[in-house]
Amino acid sequence: QSVLTQPPSASGTPGQRVTISCSGGSSDIATNTVNWYQQLPGTAPKLLMYNNNQRPSGVPDRFSGSKSGTSASLAIGGLLSEDEADYYCAAWDDSLNTYVFGTGTNVAVL
Amino acid sequence: QVQLVESGGGVVQPGRSLRVSCAASGFNFSSHGMHWVRQAPGKGLEWVAVIWYDGRDTFYADSVKGRFTISRDNSKNTLYLQMNSLRVEDTGVYYCARGLSRTSYYGMDVWGQGTTVIVS
Repeated sequence: QSVLTQPPSASGTPGQRVTISCSGGSSDIATNTVNWYQQLPGTAPKLLMYNNNQRPSGVPDRFSGSKSGTSASLAIGGLLSEDEADYYCAAWDDSLNTYVFGTGTNVAVL
Repeated sequence: QVQLVESGGGVVQPGRSLRVSCAASGFNFSSHGMHWVRQAPGKGLEWVAVIWYDGRDTFYADSVKGRFTISRDNSKNTLYLQMNSLRVEDTGVYYCARGLSRTSYYGMDVWGQGTTVIVS
């Protein structure tokens, strides 16, 4: 089962900008839309970004997403303490016919 | 409001079976694909299975293929996951999630609170 590769951790001070990368391949990110999920400690995941760069209602515009080729990224601008969470990218894999999640990135606010 | 409530988790011995359910409310259940996602203790998210809006198509992760079966009853707004031949590595929190489309390709938006399965 393939997974998408993310850095295990990222950090920044309040107000800083943090970027999380997500690396995939020709059958997942390259050909399908990417979603991002935020999981606060002890809670269920929440959709943070869909269709590469679309924010669901209620998600602050401090969060932005992009995709290019076989990679995607999530940027958090103006970091807040409440942004401390695990973040996962995800996409459908056409060759495996499975949905694949990234390895997850823990964001810490210093 | 849109809500997904899982139930049926518990402690089960290796090799035994368990069925978990997900009751949906607040939206047109029969218009959405539905997913199961699990999370082992201290680990990341692992997608398990998806079923299309009409139940016509299902897809599974390799780790559960042949052992788990996803199904739905649109008349009861309920999603199921039948888990057979359970293994210790199936231990975790099982989340049901609403698909962003009728099919399987666009991921999920709304998640339940999860139900815990312990195989021991």
